[in-house]
Amino acid sequence: DAGVTQSPTHLIKTRGQQVTLRCSPKSGHDTVSWYQQALGQGPQFIFQYYEEEERQRGNFPDRFSGHQFPNYSSELNVNALLLGDSALYLCASSWTVNTGELFFGEGSRLTVL
Amino acid sequence: GENVEQHPSTLSVQEGDSAVIKCTYSDSASNYFPWYKQELGKRPQLIIDIRSNVGEKKDQRIAVTLNKTAKHFSLHITETQPEDSAVYFCAPLGEDQAGTALIFGKGTTLSVSS
Repeated sequence: DAGVTQSPTHLIKTRGQQVTLRCSPKSGHDTVSWYQQALGQGPQFIFQYYEEEERQRGNFPDRFSGHQFPNYSSELNVNALLLGDSALYLCASSWTVNTGELFFGEGSRLTVL
Repeated sequence: GENVEQHPSTLSVQEGDSAVIKCTYSDSASNYFPWYKQELGKRPQLIIDIRSNVGEKKDQRIAVTLNKTAKHFSLHITETQPEDSAVYFCAPLGEDQAGTALIFGKGTTLSVSS
């Protein structure tokens, strides 16, 4: 049973570029949440997807957008990258009926130069 | 939204000692209280959780206690070992949230020296 998988694991972009990060949830999970974790900080909630719709959103600008596909996988898109977007981006999946427990992927480390 | 604070931010103990980390939250409707452990360079992983209908839960050397009146819950680790060294996050969940998005505290770095 595969856990949560994310790709790519590392990537480097320059300011102003756009990036897409991908996530496949744990088998049987239908909800995907995205978090940004800056160095030395706790994970900050970006948004959550369920039934292909954004169900909940944290305090992030519209430059951050996402999508969920019929197979429950998800993408996170960030436009007009800023230096401050450099962080570890974590995807977490859950089964919406079992509210609470999140299973995290290993993350995508984004560096913006 | 939920405001979450953890104390202390860093904690250093000797192997075999106990460690306690406290988490305070603002949403009185919160009903789920987990603790996550994140080792250096790894993903956060759930180590213990509790729901609002119980006051304490224990799993071997780890326990969580909940005080809903005071709006705080605590992680207790007994007989600490070097492998307990990590960053610990609390992430209470509010009942009135449409989703199941956990809001994480800033973390407590626990260092266990042998």
